[in-house]
Amino acid sequence: ETGVTQTPRHLVMGMTNKKSLKCEQHLGHNAMYWYKQSAKKPLELMFVYSLEERVENNSVPSRFSPECPNSSHLFLHLHTLQPEDSALYLCASSQGPGKAFFGQGTRLTVV
Amino acid sequence: EDQVTQSPEALRLQEGESSSLNCSYTVSGLRGLFWYRQDPGKGPEFLFTLYSAGEEKEKERLKATLTKKESFLHITAPKPEDSATYLCAVQAEAAVNKLTFGGGTRVLVKP
Repeated sequence: ETGVTQTPRHLVMGMTNKKSLKCEQHLGHNAMYWYKQSAKKPLELMFVYSLEERVENNSVPSRFSPECPNSSHLFLHLHTLQPEDSALYLCASSQGPGKAFFGQGTRLTVV
Repeated sequence: EDQVTQSPEALRLQEGESSSLNCSYTVSGLRGLFWYRQDPGKGPEFLFTLYSAGEEKEKERLKATLTKKESFLHITAPKPEDSATYLCAVQAEAAVNKLTFGGGTRVLVKP
């Protein structure tokens, strides 16, 4: 496998559910990111991990909880989400501050 | 606060009809400006990085240019496979872990 892989590709969850999104990068990069892409809005940075340490938390509600166990893996734990959290969640990686490579995204629908 | 504005929001072209997309930005010290292409339901795909005013980059029918206030993505003699949303993002010197994205330009090239 190459690049950035996200699973699942699609997820439907109820507002009381707990689920996790997974991201794995095979590029040897040292930084990983979560972005949110909603309809009619620009991509919004949620979290940044550099060398497995969280360096950016862009005022994201606590119902989103990131985890970076090592430099190749990134998780986004979801609980008690709202319908307005429905969006495409994108994971990306980069080597330092260079260009970011994105995964295919997880299309999340909260019902 | 860093800001990126892309215009137009949407562009319909006939095959072979060249055009330009605009990305206007304000940033406190530009480290880099990035262009991405995004197909429906997929993650953004990296195209170019520009670092300083006057710089140009080319790839097939695409050419990106940069001034101190804006960047242009020129599409020369487009083909239907160039249909996509084109995203512009800036990275500030003071926030190298963050990309600030514009809203994108949806390009449709008709045969």
